[in-house]
Parts: sequence; C-alpha cells; structure tokens
Amino acid sequence: AQTVTQSQPEMSVQEAETVTLSCTYDTSESDYYLFWYKQPPSRQMILVIRQEAYKQQNATENRFSVNFQKAAKSFSLKISDSQLGDAAMYFCAYRSARSGSARQLTFGSGTQLTVLP
Amino acid sequence: ETGVTQTPRHLVMGMTNKKSLKCEQHLGHNAMYWYKQSAKKPLELMFVYSLEERVENNSVPSRFSPECPNSSHLFLHLHTLQPEDSALYLCASSQDPQGLAGEQYFGPGTRLTVT
Repeated sequence: AQTVTQSQPEMSVQEAETVTLSCTYDTSESDYYLFWYKQPPSRQMILVIRQEAYKQQNATENRFSVNFQKAAKSFSLKISDSQLGDAAMYFCAYRSARSGSARQLTFGSGTQLTVLP
Repeated sequence: ETGVTQTPRHLVMGMTNKKSLKCEQHLGHNAMYWYKQSAKKPLELMFVYSLEERVENNSVPSRFSPECPNSSHLFLHLHTLQPEDSALYLCASSQDPQGLAGEQYFGPGTRLTVT
C-alpha cells in the first residue's frame, strides 16, 4: 500500500519570503500522480499543483513549484513571495495511474502553514 | 467554490439519532467520494461511486450508509454513531475514468459532532 508522509506538522513564513513544504511517499509503482492540495480555514480544499511521475520536469503554477525527486520519492512544494492568503493546511497526495486503483487519493497528514505579516 | 456543495455545514447529533449528509456537484462529473477528516490524521477515503455504482468501500462501519441516486447527488446516512465518528466529512467529485485531468474537486465539508 502507498503511504504519504509530511514530516512538518506546522511551518511559518514571513510575508514575501519563500517556504518549502516537505512530502515523501512510498510506492512500488512506477507510474502515478502527485498533488498538493490547500485547505484554508473553514474553506474548501483546492488543488494547488500536480505532477505526473513520468515527467522529469518539475511542475510550476505561478508562485507555486515542486521539487520532484522520483528516485528519492520526494515531492516538496515551494511557495515563493508568500502572501497572507497562502495561510492554510497543505496536503500532499498520491494517486496511482493503474487502472482500477486510479480513483483513490492517499493523503499525508498535512502541514499547517502560517504566514506572518 | 460552488462546484461541490454540502449540507448541512454543521451537525450535532446524539448516538441514537439518524441523520443524513447531502452532497451535490454542479460540474457534470460522474464519480463522487466521501472522505473523513479527523484532527491530525490524513484524510480517509470512505466510499467511491462511479456512474452511480459503488466501486469502493474502505472497511467503513455499517452505521455509515451511502446513497447515490444520480451522478449529481450523494448522501451519507448516519445512524447509531459513536463519539469517535466526530469529524469533518468531505465530499468530492471527479470525471471517471481519471487521467491526470480527472482531479477531485472537494466540497466545504460537514462538521459532525456526536454527543
């Protein structure tokens, strides 16, 4: 079974600075997808960024980028120029690309990010 | 944020009550999910419906009973719950079968407290 580990329960960053959230995962599969979701307080969980395992190039979405290290099974999220609205719980998630297993997202336990003004 | 809606947003119920959670998606998706989110624990997938057929049931106690009458609506019927069932219950939807574009869209959740 796949597992996703987020070793930082809480992180804080100064506004306009850069922060990196860590995520590692364990799988025996070679083809899969990885995601970072953001859950602001009392608001809906939304997808921040996603990565296909077969792509070597790291995904980027505006101020959000990932460092995907497939051999190390690491998938960290970098937030540049942090804004107050980035404060949220961030979840790393894994999804198999294998038919029949492709629906289940396996989540990490989350990292609570605080942005300091 | 209105793609997936959930009602009620908050629910307090006794252990002998029967209640239902409702989820509705307005995205034209054909797969829907129930997740349980407890404090300091990863989200746990409970049920998956694809084309109104239950395709996954992750060893969830029978006091939780899902229902999917059509591709836009999903219910979670609750009865004789335990205090440890108190959690945030999240609904999600996606287009199935999923490629990378089949990301899951989440509702705001129902905060359930069992007294």
